[in-house]
Amino acid sequence: SQKIEQNSEALNIQEGKTATLTCNYTNYSPAYLQWYRQDPGRGPVFLLLIRENEKEKRKERLKVTFDTTLKQSLFHITASQPADSATYLCALYNAGNMLTFGGGTRLMVKP
Amino acid sequence: DGGITQSPKYLFRKEGQNVTLSCEQNLNHDAMYWYRQDPGQGLRLIYYSQIVNDFQKGDIAEGYSVSREKKESFPLTVTSAQKNPTAFYLCASSTTPGTETQYFGPGTRLLVL
Repeated sequence: SQKIEQNSEALNIQEGKTATLTCNYTNYSPAYLQWYRQDPGRGPVFLLLIRENEKEKRKERLKVTFDTTLKQSLFHITASQPADSATYLCALYNAGNMLTFGGGTRLMVKP
Repeated sequence: DGGITQSPKYLFRKEGQNVTLSCEQNLNHDAMYWYRQDPGQGLRLIYYSQIVNDFQKGDIAEGYSVSREKKESFPLTVTSAQKNPTAFYLCASSTTPGTETQYFGPGTRLLVL
């Protein structure tokens, strides 16, 4: 069966360090993968999109990698700040299907 | 100021009652979606609409109904057949169905009395 896995345990890191979140998937051949940020009680906000033929994408302090052989995407936040604390969701788009979301990983950045 | 609005922010449902959640967008997007989010879980697709007067069931459509009479509006009705309606409901839209970025509303939290 198709599955998208994100670490359900919260990731706690110190301010200034790099946060790395993982998104693993099985039985998908995604045309692209997206990362969203969700704050408590709010709707998700789009951050980055990476296509199947791209290895890496950057936006300011954010970096996403996409390894279709490992079936994994890594989401990095460099020089993390307490304001980066939120839940981060990955989402896959399989051609012909809709966007499917993972369960999200909560990031806590401590000052 | 473009975006998606959802109302109400909180909604209380009594046993056996149907309730309707509002979703409006002024982004001129063709596609609109309804998701359900339970605590600590990801988003599950309830219904989606690719064009006015057309909509499709998602993964968990039972106990829900929708309409798409206008491009800007995609209301969701939680019927009495939905036995576990307590959740956070999110509406989203995108320029084309299933592709690229989805823009989300602020959500409606539905609670059962």
